[in-house]
Amino acid sequence: KAGVTQTPRYLIKTRGQQVTLSCSPISGHRSVSWYQQTPGQGLQFLFEYFSETQRNKGNFPGRFSGRQFSNSRSEMNVSTLELGDSALYLCASSLGAVYQETQYFGPGTRLLVL
Amino acid sequence: SQKIEQNSEALNIQEGKTATLTCNYTNYSPAYLQWYRQDPGRGPVFLLLIRENEKEKRKERLKVTFDTTLKQSLFHITASQPADSATYLCASPGGANQAGTALIFGKGTTLSVSS
Repeated sequence: KAGVTQTPRYLIKTRGQQVTLSCSPISGHRSVSWYQQTPGQGLQFLFEYFSETQRNKGNFPGRFSGRQFSNSRSEMNVSTLELGDSALYLCASSLGAVYQETQYFGPGTRLLVL
Repeated sequence: SQKIEQNSEALNIQEGKTATLTCNYTNYSPAYLQWYRQDPGRGPVFLLLIRENEKEKRKERLKVTFDTTLKQSLFHITASQPADSATYLCASPGGANQAGTALIFGKGTTLSVSS
């Protein structure tokens, strides 16, 4: 079974630009969660989508948004990029019906904002 | 709000010894705790989940404990090997009612096993 895939793997943007990251979950998984990982803050939860609906949201500004498509693929968008948005963005998928579930992470997208 | 603290940023041990990593939670007792392994440049990989009503869980050379009195989970790797060198992350369910699959992570402990 193919794992979670994320594209692109690396991105360089400048302040003020916007960026869209993509995540394809494991086949059959309906939940996709997004996390931001930085050396200072560690892994921080951004949001979770289940069956095309946002089910949970972390404490990030409205510049961070996401969506999920009917095939469970998900995208996240960051508008008006700031230097502090430089991070590894990870997506994780799970079956999603209940909690206490293992999450399967993708390799991440490394975003550098100049 | 819940915080997950992994007090040791780094742990260096010799091959063959037992590594013990600590995870403390600060607020409510989580329904479960999960442990993940993360290698440089890769996403975390799930290792073990222990529920609130379980005292101990084992998987091969790995053992996890959950002490609700101390608000703590311990993660042990016995007979450690250089291949065990990685960052280990502890995670608790997040969200107001711990529903959904949002996780709150600790900052991790980087384990280095020398031969």
